[in-house]
Amino acid sequence: ETGVTQTPRHLVMGMTNKKSLKCEQHLGHNAMYWYKQSAKKPLELMFVYNFKEQTENNSVPSRFSPECPNSSHLFLHLHTLQPEDSALYLCASSQDRAYEQYFGPGTRLTVT
Amino acid sequence: AQTVTQSQPEMSVQEAETVTLSCTYDTSESDYYLFWYKQPPSRQMILVIRQEAYKQQNATENRFSVNFQKAAKSFSLKISDSQLGDAAMYFCAIAFGNEKLTFGTGTRLTIIP
Repeated sequence: ETGVTQTPRHLVMGMTNKKSLKCEQHLGHNAMYWYKQSAKKPLELMFVYNFKEQTENNSVPSRFSPECPNSSHLFLHLHTLQPEDSALYLCASSQDRAYEQYFGPGTRLTVT
Repeated sequence: AQTVTQSQPEMSVQEAETVTLSCTYDTSESDYYLFWYKQPPSRQMILVIRQEAYKQQNATENRFSVNFQKAAKSFSLKISDSQLGDAAMYFCAIAFGNEKLTFGTGTRLTIIP
């Protein structure tokens, strides 16, 4: 595997379910990001991790819970989501919070 | 706060022709970085080109070039000799210091064979 990978690519879940999104980067970067991409809206930065430490949380509801066990892996734990949380969730990584971020293919999440 | 505006939700161009995508931004910073990212239908976002605000020379990357007008806060992307593989959403973004990227809403580019 190369670059940034995300699993699953597609996820359908009910509002009472608990699921997790996984991101893995194979680039040796030390910063990782979660973005939410909704139609006709700018990418919304959700969380930033630098050297496994969370450095930014953009007022994201607590039903989204990130986890970064090491610099290569990033998770987004989901529980009791709302239909408006349906979106494409993108993971990205970079070196030293530099500007050139490398993105994964995303997880298309549908909340029913 | 920084903002990025892409006023063209959709654009189309004939294959082999040239197209320019517009981007304007607002920032109070004097030193910043500007980017164009491309997101093809497969969804993997990739960096197309970057421009440092302190550099007067416009960045180029093969068929992709920018027209950076700092005073006007404008950063357009020109794609020459358009190819079918150029079809994608294009996002303009800005960053300064060591801060996060701020993205525009994107322009969907269609290539007409």
